[in-house]
Amino acid sequence: KAGVTQTPRYLIKTRGQQVTLSCSPISGHRSVSWYQQTPGQGLQFLFEYFSETQRNKGNFPGRFSGRQFSNSRSEMNVSTLELGDSALYLCASSIQGLNTGELFFGEGSRLTVL
Amino acid sequence: AQTVTQSQPEMSVQEAETVTLSCTYDTSESDYYLFWYKQPPSRQMILVIRQEAYKQQNATENRFSVNFQKAAKSFSLKISDSQLGDAAMYFCAYRSVLSGAGSYQLTFGKGTKLSVIP
Repeated sequence: KAGVTQTPRYLIKTRGQQVTLSCSPISGHRSVSWYQQTPGQGLQFLFEYFSETQRNKGNFPGRFSGRQFSNSRSEMNVSTLELGDSALYLCASSIQGLNTGELFFGEGSRLTVL
Repeated sequence: AQTVTQSQPEMSVQEAETVTLSCTYDTSESDYYLFWYKQPPSRQMILVIRQEAYKQQNATENRFSVNFQKAAKSFSLKISDSQLGDAAMYFCAYRSVLSGAGSYQLTFGKGTKLSVIP
């Protein structure tokens, strides 16, 4: 069974640009969450999607947005990039309904903003 | 809001020895999940062990076990017979069992970097 796949793995952008990151969850997983990981702030929750609906959102500015498609694949977008957006962006999927709480993570997309 | 604290930014252990990583959390909820996740360098985060708060028995997975003290809101991870492959960042995480919105959101601690000395 394929794991959570994130693309691209690495990317470099300049301030003011925008970026789109993609996440394909494990087959059968309907919940996709996004986390930002930085050395200073650690892992912070961005948002969670289930059945194409955003169920919950963390404390990030509106420049951070996301969506989920009917096949459960998800994308997140960051507009007007700032230096502080440099981070590892992790996607995680889980099975809705089992309530086991386990999240399965992808390897992440490492964004560098210059 | 829940908070998770890992007070040991870095730890080291000799190969084959035992090490304990600490985690404390703060919550007003009575039922929840606690997790330890492992993140090796440049590799994906994987679940090490899970504990349901309503279970008094401490979870165990092979060489990994937890000491769950609900009243003290403490959740430490013990790694026995440490191996070189155990070297990684270890994150303690909390999740509510509430269904619906926010049910799959994890609150993470800042992590503990574990080094294993050959």
